[in-house]
Amino acid sequence: DIQLTQSPSFLSASVGDRVTITCRASQGISSYLAWYQQKPGKAPKLLIYAASTLQSGVPSRFSGSGSGTEFTLTISSLQPEDFATYYCQQLNSYPFTFGPGTKVDIK
Amino acid sequence: EVQLVESGGGLVQPGGSLRLSCAASGFTFSSYDMHWVRQATGKGLEWVSAIGTAGDTYYPGSVKGRFTISRENAKNSLYLQMNSLRAGDTAVYYCARGVGRWFDPWGQGTLVTVSS
Repeated sequence: DIQLTQSPSFLSASVGDRVTITCRASQGISSYLAWYQQKPGKAPKLLIYAASTLQSGVPSRFSGSGSGTEFTLTISSLQPEDFATYYCQQLNSYPFTFGPGTKVDIK
Repeated sequence: EVQLVESGGGLVQPGGSLRLSCAASGFTFSSYDMHWVRQATGKGLEWVSAIGTAGDTYYPGSVKGRFTISRENAKNSLYLQMNSLRAGDTAVYYCARGVGRWFDPWGQGTLVTVSS
């Protein structure tokens, strides 16, 4: 199975900060990577797919990059509604796996 | 509006069975792969099963042989039959539509608690 790691697991940031989250895969997954945002008590929401394609309706301050084994999610200017947990997911091969998550908290 | 609504969760004893349902609306259900994902309280996301448009099914090792995913296109419904349940299966179970390979949207989830 393909394992995903995320770093950091937790970060504390202020409104307006630029935030970067890294996801690493245990083997190459081409660009078959998605990023999801989850707020407490809510279902995950698709932000980025195919590593760098912004899902319709998602603000342009979110961006994704990478291919192969290393990927990043960047929030260019953190907004109050962005405080949440972010998960990466590989969809290169079954079983599809998720990273452990990165919680973004208010500083 | 695309909508997924899960139901069927509840309290079940270890070794018991439960069947979850996911009612889909707002899209042509038969044209999409569908997935189940679970999340234990305070933990991360774990993909549980998938079913393709042709009825092909996929499972991780943690549930293979115990869980069965199925679909009934005429009723726009997805199911998850869970047998031999364990305490470690306690979680919120989400259904999600597969768009290409990506999961969008997700339902609101249904809680399954395995306890004596």
